[in-house]
Amino acid sequence: EIVMTQSPATLSVSPGERATLSCRASQSIYSNLAWYQQRPGQAPRLLIYGASTRATGIPARFSGSGSGTEFTLTISSLQSEDFAVYYCQQYNNWGTFGQGTKVDIK
Amino acid sequence: QVQLVQSGAEVKKPGSSVKISCKASGGTFSTYAINWVRQAPGQGLEWMGGIIPIFGTTNYAQKFQDRVTTTADESTNTAYMELSSLRSEDTAVYYCAKIHSETTFYDAYDMWGQGTVVIVSS
Repeated sequence: EIVMTQSPATLSVSPGERATLSCRASQSIYSNLAWYQQRPGQAPRLLIYGASTRATGIPARFSGSGSGTEFTLTISSLQSEDFAVYYCQQYNNWGTFGQGTKVDIK
Repeated sequence: QVQLVQSGAEVKKPGSSVKISCKASGGTFSTYAINWVRQAPGQGLEWMGGIIPIFGTTNYAQKFQDRVTTTADESTNTAYMELSSLRSEDTAVYYCAKIHSETTFYDAYDMWGQGTVVIVSS
């Protein structure tokens, strides 16, 4: 089973600042990686797929990069609605998720 | 665009089974895999398994292999997930989610249901 490890567990950021979230796979998953946002009490929402392609309706301040085993989600200028939990998911071999990174207000 | 609406909350006794439905509307259903993901209280997301309705092909996480069954009814655009031999650790929110690309399990999930709360308690 491919293990996904996200860091940090919690990221404290001020509104308007940049946030950088990391995700590492235990073996190469090529570009078969997605990022999801989950706000409290809501279902997850797809942000990025194919490691770097924004999903429909996702603002340009969200960007993804990486391939192989190392991946990054960047939020260029945090808005109030961006404070949430973010999960990465590999779909190279079924679909396992990272444990999540909580982005909270500094 | 496809919307997914799940059935309501359930309270079950240990050892029993639960069957959750996920009805799709507004788009193509049969050619897109529907996956099931659960989230225990305060925890992360856990993939359980899925089905491609047009083929009836299923895939399950090894952890749930012996207890989960996913089915689909193309006539009503509804997918189902049944989990048996319930224990307290199965208390969670269960989500259905649609795969982004047709006839594959290997892609991101671009639409999610609202979630179904299942509580397992004696």
